[in-house]
Amino acid sequence: GQQVMQIPQYQHVQEGEDFTTYCNSSTTLSNIQWYKQRPGGHPVFLIQLVKSGEVKKQKRLTFQFGEAKKNSSLHITATQTTDVGTYFCAGGNYQLIWGAGTKLIIKP
Amino acid sequence: DGGITQSPKYLFRKEGQNVTLSCEQNLNHDAMYWYRQDPGQGLRLIYYSQIVNDFQKGDIAEGYSVSREKKESFPLTVTSAQKNPTAFYLCASTKQIIPGQGGYGYTFGSGTRLTVV
Repeated sequence: GQQVMQIPQYQHVQEGEDFTTYCNSSTTLSNIQWYKQRPGGHPVFLIQLVKSGEVKKQKRLTFQFGEAKKNSSLHITATQTTDVGTYFCAGGNYQLIWGAGTKLIIKP
Repeated sequence: DGGITQSPKYLFRKEGQNVTLSCEQNLNHDAMYWYRQDPGQGLRLIYYSQIVNDFQKGDIAEGYSVSREKKESFPLTVTSAQKNPTAFYLCASTKQIIPGQGGYGYTFGSGTRLTVV
């Protein structure tokens, strides 16, 4: 069946360093959505990408959708402690197919 | 403000007991979903419903049941047939999907943490 692979599983960064998570689908996606889940919390919708090659920015966050609509990335510039959490990608129509998430950890 | 309310926040279940998790939304969303999340894991779909009085099984429906008698409500029952129910349960809703126009972001409730004692 359709799968969305997300890597890495964890990323440890110093505050101020950049962070990137990648999603790859086994099939073409009609759209890709990104969510953030803070520790102990619930997923919160960040953004949706629909068009091939689409790039969207939200302050320090940059989201990309691949030309073939099979992969996507989220890049955070100059991480802050408020960025800590797990970032999930999810694609599909009536049912979202979820990646396993990338946990962003700020080194003490 | 509109949103999704899940209750209770914490639930303890004895062996062989059925328990029901509540999910209510006032967003006027047509589609509702139940997910299970195990520690350090992603989301797995249990059941979903796109309209009242209709629902479909997700990837891990065994041992669970749902109903959708009202647009606003989508309760989940964890039955005694679910052998490993300890997990974080999340309810979500979204606007009805229009084919060809992409999807909409999901709104999640704050979740119910179920523990078997």
